[in-house]
Amino acid sequence: EAGVTQFPSHSVIEKGQTVTLRCDPISGHDNLYWYRRVMGKEIKFLLHFVKESKQDESGMPNNRFLAERTGGTYSTLKVQPAELEDSGVYFCASSPLGQARAYEQYFGPGTRLTVT
Amino acid sequence: KQEVTQIPAALSVPEGENLVLNCSFTDSAIYNLQWFRQDPGKGLTSLLLIQSSQREQTSGRLNASLDKSSGRSTLYIAASQPGDSATYLCAVLKSYNTDKLIFGTGTRLQVFP
Repeated sequence: EAGVTQFPSHSVIEKGQTVTLRCDPISGHDNLYWYRRVMGKEIKFLLHFVKESKQDESGMPNNRFLAERTGGTYSTLKVQPAELEDSGVYFCASSPLGQARAYEQYFGPGTRLTVT
Repeated sequence: KQEVTQIPAALSVPEGENLVLNCSFTDSAIYNLQWFRQDPGKGLTSLLLIQSSQREQTSGRLNASLDKSSGRSTLYIAASQPGDSATYLCAVLKSYNTDKLIFGTGTRLQVFP
């Protein structure tokens, strides 16, 4: 069974540019989460999809970040325009639906974003 | 506000030692607690998940305990090996109405031969 995959693994962009990160969850996992770790800080939650619906987006830092999950499969996280403080590692995770919160969240390898 | 702290921040031990990593959280109203390891440049690998009703979970040389009332969890690694070198993270699932994991800052472990 394939794990959570993320693309690209590393992205370097200039301030003001746009970047789109992609996450493919484990097949059949209806829950999809985005987290990020900025330099020297702990990993922090960004948002949670259940299928194609946003369940919780309380961690999204501002309106420069837009997450989508059309069709309830893969998800994208767009940062537009990127700022220096957006640099960090963006993780995606997924888990099955049902037996609420009894399941582990399975994490992808992350996308390292560097804004120069 | 839930805060998760991990002590020590870094640990270096010789191969073969048994060791304990600590995780503490400020709000005991958690649903579960998960331990992860992260290898340099890699993603997070889930090690153990403890539900709030459980006291411990074991997987191979790893044993995680949970004391909700005191806000503590420990990860015990028996007979450490160089391959155990990684950063270990604990994360709590806060309550019944959210799937948001709250992470600690991690313990960076190095096991030398």
